[in-house]
Amino acid sequence: QGQVVESGGGVVPPGKSLRLSCRTSGSTFRFFNMHWVRQAPGRGLEWVASTSDDDANKEYADSVRGRFTVSRDNSQNTVSLLMDNLRVDDTAVYFCARRYCLANSCSLDFWGQGSLVIVS
Amino acid sequence: DIQLTQSPSSLSASVGGRVTITCRASQSVDTHLNWYKQTPGTAPKVLIYGASHLQSGVPARFSGSGSGTHFSLTIDDLRPEDFATYYCQQSSSARWTFGQGTKVDVK
Repeated sequence: QGQVVESGGGVVPPGKSLRLSCRTSGSTFRFFNMHWVRQAPGRGLEWVASTSDDDANKEYADSVRGRFTVSRDNSQNTVSLLMDNLRVDDTAVYFCARRYCLANSCSLDFWGQGSLVIVS
Repeated sequence: DIQLTQSPSSLSASVGGRVTITCRASQSVDTHLNWYKQTPGTAPKVLIYGASHLQSGVPARFSGSGSGTHFSLTIDDLRPEDFATYYCQQSSSARWTFGQGTKVDVK
């Protein structure tokens, strides 16, 4: 079935940039939309962004639109989240997840372990 | 964006008991509503998709119902491993959203 592994997290000062990577294993991931979800310390889940299987269609939450860019390289089985102009309230664990559709409904069925980003 | 409101925010229950969590959407999401379970330090896990379909491998004591703007997740015969935080999530609109979560702990 494959795996999803995030990397690239760390501590970054406000206003700076950071790129998260999500490496997927298994050749079928290139056929699925991929999403990013984050969770601030002690808080709930927040949907962040998504990209379609061909990287042609992207969506962003209002809180990150204009600052974050999602992209993918199917030849490398990777999805990236470029985060610019980071703010303190972007501090969170960032999860990469696969969208899977069944019975005319879609959910996130494969998740990475998360990558911690601290803006301070 | 579509807002999802879960209730209650937290609840206490006993092993062997039954709990019901509700999720209300700010506008109709048809049946494009999913439920996830999360334990501390781990990634969420999908339990129910399409409002009422049980994800493969999830025990049958979990069930979901609803459509439009009102949904519920019911857990029968609570097991120790069920004490966790549960989230609803809508996939009706292009920008997905989650509910704020419901923490289920031991009474």
